[in-house]
Amino acid sequence: QVLLQESGPGLVKPSETLSLTCTVSGASLNTHYWSWIRQPPGKGLEWIGYIHYSGGTNYSPSLKSRVTISIDTSKKQFSLNLSSMTAADTALYYCARGYYDSLTGYYLSGAFDSWGQGTRVTVSS
Amino acid sequence: DIQMTQSPSSLSASVGDRVTITCQASQDISNTLNWYQQKPGKAPKLLIYDASNLKAGVPSRFSGSGSGTDFTFTISSLQPEDFATYYCEQYDSLPITFGQGTRLDIK
Repeated sequence: QVLLQESGPGLVKPSETLSLTCTVSGASLNTHYWSWIRQPPGKGLEWIGYIHYSGGTNYSPSLKSRVTISIDTSKKQFSLNLSSMTAADTALYYCARGYYDSLTGYYLSGAFDSWGQGTRVTVSS
Repeated sequence: DIQMTQSPSSLSASVGDRVTITCQASQDISNTLNWYQQKPGKAPKLLIYDASNLKAGVPSRFSGSGSGTDFTFTISSLQPEDFATYYCEQYDSLPITFGQGTRLDIK
C-alpha cells in the first residue's frame, strides 16, 4: 500500500517561503509523476506542479515564478518550495502520485491515485 | 489554460437514484479526463481515469463517458456513502486543471 505524508509548518508569515516535504512509503520514487496540489478553504483543487522520477519538472504558469519542486529518491521524499507567500496562498496542501495505467504501460501525469492526508498552511503575520 | 466547467454545481438526490454530472472542456482534450470523489476532511479519491476506465476496486455503479470536450460521470444507483463532492480533472495540456466541483447531497 502506497502512503504519502506531508510535513512542514502550519503557519507562514507574508513574504516568507513555504517549504513542505512529502515522504512516500510502500513505493519507489524511481517511477511515476509526483505532484503538489492545493485547496483553499471551502474551494476547489489547484494543481501546483509535478516532478517526474527522472527529475524533470512542470509548474502551473500562475505559480511558476515562485515554485520549486525537488526530489530525493534515496530518502523517498519530494519537496515543495513556494516563495513570497501571501494570504492568497492559505490552503490545504496535498502531495499526490500520478497513476500507472497497467493496461497501456504508461505513467500518467494526472489521474492522482494516491494522496497524502493534506497539511493546512496559513499565511499570517 | 484549459477551463473545465462542471454542471451542476450542486445536486440533491435520494438513495437509489441515478445521478449524472457533466464536465465540459474549453478545448479538445481527447480522453484525458479523470473523475474524483472528495468527502469532507479527506483527500480526493480517483474513481475514473481516461474518461471511462474504472480504477481497480471502485464499485461498478460509477461510470464515465465522453471524449473531446464533453464528458459525463454517472452513478447508477446512489448509495449512502456516495454523498460527497465530485471533481473532474484534465491532464491533456499543462497546467493540469480541475472543474469547480459538484456537491451531491441527500434530498
